[in-house]
Amino acid sequence: NAGVMQNPRHLVRRRGQEARLRCSPMKGHSHVYWYRQLPEEGLKFMVYLQKENIIDESGMPKERFSAEFPKEGPSILRIQQVVRGDSAAYFCASSPPGERAAFFGQGTRLTVV
Amino acid sequence: KQEVTQIPAALSVPEGENLVLNCSFTDSAIYNLQWFRQDPGKGLTSLLLIQSSQREQTSGRLNASLDKSSGRSTLYIAASQPGDSATYLCAVRRNRGSNYKLTFGKGTLLTVNP
Repeated sequence: NAGVMQNPRHLVRRRGQEARLRCSPMKGHSHVYWYRQLPEEGLKFMVYLQKENIIDESGMPKERFSAEFPKEGPSILRIQQVVRGDSAAYFCASSPPGERAAFFGQGTRLTVV
Repeated sequence: KQEVTQIPAALSVPEGENLVLNCSFTDSAIYNLQWFRQDPGKGLTSLLLIQSSQREQTSGRLNASLDKSSGRSTLYIAASQPGDSATYLCAVRRNRGSNYKLTFGKGTLLTVNP
């Protein structure tokens, strides 16, 4: 089991561009969580998805950010029209169904220039 | 709203020392508490998970305690080594069920000097 895979590991975008962050959960895991870690801040929950459904998006900014977890393929966190304040490390975690612990990926470090 | 605070923000110790990292949370209605380790530029590695009904968990040189009623947890590291240098994060989970949403503290940056 390869663990939670995130790519790219590093992403540089100019202001106004779009950023797409991908997360492939561990085999057998149908639950995906996205967290953001801003400089000097703790990890903040953004969104919780199950296959084809958003379960909890209470931590997601209302504009420019969206997430999906399609039936086939990885989960995608999409940030439109990026601004410098979006520069952060974005972590994905996955868990199997039921009350099981989540496992974290290595993160994608987004830099907006 | 749950808030998690970790003290100290940074700690530097000589190799071999025993040390304690502190975590406090404002809402005692938690399901479990977890300690993670984060190395620079890396992801999170889970160290210890304590269920709300438990008082402590041990793994090797690490011991984590939980006092749910007072909203506190400590991570004790015995005989520290330079390889223990990392950021240690405390996180609490409120909900039972499949939602594994965690609330994190900002972490304690530990440096163990050889």
